[in-house]
Amino acid sequence: SQKIEQNSEALNIQEGKTATLTCNYTNYSPAYLQWYRQDPGRGPVFLLLIRENEKEKRKERLKVTFDTTLKQSLFHITASQPADSATYLCALPSSGGSYIPTFGRGTSLIVHP
Amino acid sequence: DADVTQTPRNRITKTGKRIMLECSQTKGHDRMYWYRQDPGLGLRLIYYSFDVKDINKGEISDGYSVSRQAQAKFSLSLESAIPNQTALYFCATSDFRQGPSADTQYFGPGTRLTVL
Repeated sequence: SQKIEQNSEALNIQEGKTATLTCNYTNYSPAYLQWYRQDPGRGPVFLLLIRENEKEKRKERLKVTFDTTLKQSLFHITASQPADSATYLCALPSSGGSYIPTFGRGTSLIVHP
Repeated sequence: DADVTQTPRNRITKTGKRIMLECSQTKGHDRMYWYRQDPGLGLRLIYYSFDVKDINKGEISDGYSVSRQAQAKFSLSLESAIPNQTALYFCATSDFRQGPSADTQYFGPGTRLTVL
């Protein structure tokens, strides 16, 4: 099964700076990788999906990269705001055709005004 | 109205009681999932269903059972609740018919379950 590693320590940054979160995985390379945002006590919300043949994906202030050689995805939030404070989860589909997602434990982002 | 709803939102029960958590969706998705989330352990998959007649165990199915009563309804049961089942439970749906890379998860608001 896939093992996913996300930094368990919270990332603290100042408003306006770029936040960069990391998702590393072992074993097979997935067909795609997803990023979700989760606020305390609420369900995760899908943000972005990047496919294995895509190096980079952007959506407004969000940017995701996918390096299948390094087995790593980076998630960037530019011009960060206090409202971006949340836990960010990456998720990868299982192999074998069922594509059942496995979620990382998430990294907490805290943006200070 | 929310696309994925869960009832109840909060529940406190005692050890040994039978509990049912319900999930309904209006998105028309084929796949439905139940997860539990514990502090520091992330989301763990309990059961998932590809359609009404296709139900599969996830990573931590022991002590749980499920029922897919219709495409839109997926219930999770704890036959005899125990304290270590205290957690936040999420239902999710996805639409695999659009292809795997469109198979993003849509989560319900969660049920906070406490077993005393």
